[in-house]
Amino acid sequence: QQKVQQSPESLSVPEGGMASFNCTSSDRNFQYFWWYRQHSGEGPKALMSIFSDGDKKEGRFTAHLNKASLHVSLHIRDSQPSDSALYFCAARPNNYAQGLTFGLGTRVSVFP
Amino acid sequence: EAAVTQSPRNKVAVTGGKVTLSCNQTNNHNNMYWYRQDTGHGLRLIHYSYGAGSTEKGDIPDGYKASRPSQENFSLILELATPSQTSVYFCASGDAYWGGGETLYFGSGTRLTVL
Repeated sequence: QQKVQQSPESLSVPEGGMASFNCTSSDRNFQYFWWYRQHSGEGPKALMSIFSDGDKKEGRFTAHLNKASLHVSLHIRDSQPSDSALYFCAARPNNYAQGLTFGLGTRVSVFP
Repeated sequence: EAAVTQSPRNKVAVTGGKVTLSCNQTNNHNNMYWYRQDTGHGLRLIHYSYGAGSTEKGDIPDGYKASRPSQENFSLILELATPSQTSVYFCASGDAYWGGGETLYFGSGTRLTVL
């Protein structure tokens, strides 16, 4: 069973619109969450991390974490064509654990 | 920005052959990782290392070996390549700390095709 689950698998959003997608974990040991973005032909790149309940904003990106339900969301305001990419949610336990466990990703397409 | 370089970018191998994928990082990070990316499976951890001389098994280590001869270099070795190992392989480095997180810095990937 996938420990980190993402939804939807894909979405399309108009340029200038809001893109929102979700991530949940079935492992209550996971305490730290990241969002990574991968453009075609490149490696994933960290967008932002979120460790505390509530919202965290970085530019046009806002992440929200609910630790009780282990639910994380990412919202992209004023979406740009360059935001078209595969977005991964990743998580790890709150100890000196190794690596990250990734979800399957949400593919975002921004159309003009 | 952290720098992780993988070589080769593309590789075609024959079934039963030996394949070595190389990774170099200039960030002085202790931890290094090998992941593979496949449609429908996302990114899966193969091997990782805490520092020079150490290698640990990840979630899918079967058919793979790893080598960390130095802080900077981490290799993934397929002794007897099989078509099921056709995939895109990513190396990453990171510097975890107790009670906190670890951001991973990925290379650009190696596309391996085993015929």
